[in-house]
Amino acid sequence: EVQLLESGGGLVQPGGSLRLSCAASGFTFSTHGMSWVRQVPGKGLEWVSAARSDGPGSFYADSVKGRFTISRDISKNILYLQMNSLRAEDTAIYYCVKQLVPGTNWFDPWGQGTLVTVSS
Amino acid sequence: EIVLTQSPVTLSLSPGERATLSCRASQSIRSYLAWYQQKPGQAPRLLIYDTSNRATGIPARFSGSGSGTDFTLTISSLEPEDVAVYYCQQRSNWPLTFGGGTKVEIK
Repeated sequence: EVQLLESGGGLVQPGGSLRLSCAASGFTFSTHGMSWVRQVPGKGLEWVSAARSDGPGSFYADSVKGRFTISRDISKNILYLQMNSLRAEDTAIYYCVKQLVPGTNWFDPWGQGTLVTVSS
Repeated sequence: EIVLTQSPVTLSLSPGERATLSCRASQSIRSYLAWYQQKPGQAPRLLIYDTSNRATGIPARFSGSGSGTDFTLTISSLEPEDVAVYYCQQRSNWPLTFGGGTKVEIK
């Protein structure tokens, strides 16, 4: 069974940093691209960042470009999201998601999410 | 950026009725559209990908159609457990984008 378990969320002050982790199991982590998707509670979904399976390439939403960095540790089956210069508008539930099929950005499954709150 | 516009915002129907949800793209996305279901308090779940392919375990009452810029998710006979917000998503171009969602309620 595929499992994605996020951690690292919490309360942080504006301008601060946080690193999210996503522990993956039940599939070949090295062959699937992964993404982070966020959701302000009660609002819609926003794709944040994607990490390719076949190399160091990554993609970012304009809203986080230059502030967030996605990475993956293949040896530990962990996906990360380093978030710097956090703003109030980054407050959201952050979901870790896996590509349904390698090379296609359809997300299945989703983790349970971790809440990030940026506030003073 | 490709903008996905979903309509209606809210859909209120009786059990057994047919639900038709729309997703319109700001430019052609060929068939690169998916639908997700998010029930209250849960993470989203993939329903349909590549416009019309049901994901594993999704009941046959869910179907998708369309191409180019206009897409539809149909629930042929609404069940009480279908109460949720439904989102469309495109993967034709970066950045990946989602629609704003349609909330399906039971009368």
